[in-house]
Amino acid sequence: EAGVTQSPTHLIKTRGQQATLRCSPISGHTSVYWYQQALGLGLQFLLWYDEGEERNRGNFPPRFSGRQFPNYSSELNVNALELEDSALYLCASSFVGGARGEQFFGPGTRLTVL
Amino acid sequence: GQQVMQIPQYQHVQEGEDFTTYCNSSTTLSNIQWYKQRPGGHPVFLIQLVKSGEVKKQKRLTFQFGEAKKNSSLHITATQTTDVGTYFCAGTNRDDKIIFGKGTRLHILP
Repeated sequence: EAGVTQSPTHLIKTRGQQATLRCSPISGHTSVYWYQQALGLGLQFLLWYDEGEERNRGNFPPRFSGRQFPNYSSELNVNALELEDSALYLCASSFVGGARGEQFFGPGTRLTVL
Repeated sequence: GQQVMQIPQYQHVQEGEDFTTYCNSSTTLSNIQWYKQRPGGHPVFLIQLVKSGEVKKQKRLTFQFGEAKKNSSLHITATQTTDVGTYFCAGTNRDDKIIFGKGTRLHILP
């Protein structure tokens, strides 16, 4: 069974640009979560999508947004990039909705903002 | 805002020694999960605790959830080199938001 996949693996942008990150959950999983892992800060919860809708979001500004498609894949968009947005962005999926089920993580997208 | 504090940040142990990491939340959690992230890898789910005072074991790993559902611990008995990595706790608050601790990085000395 294929795991959670993310693309691209690495992304380099300049300040002010927009970044789009993609995630495909495990087949049969309807919930997708996005996290930011910056050095020294652990994992910060960004967004949770379930059945195509945004169910919850962490304490991030509105320039962090996303969506979930009918096939449950998801996209994270970061507008007006700032230097401090440089981090590893992890996507996770789960079968049980909400923050109550085991989450399976993808390998992440390393975003570098210059 | 709500925090989940995890200590220690780093731990060096001799192979064969025990290791414990602790998580403390400022508010009551509905559940807590533990993950392990190997160097260069992504977090891998270990376990979920839901009930007050719950204790679960996985071979050499023992997980506890406090009576007040505000704290949790992970204890590894007789560490092995394969235990190297960063251990994260993740608590779910009443707003259904997931809050990760900053992790405890475990180094094993041979």
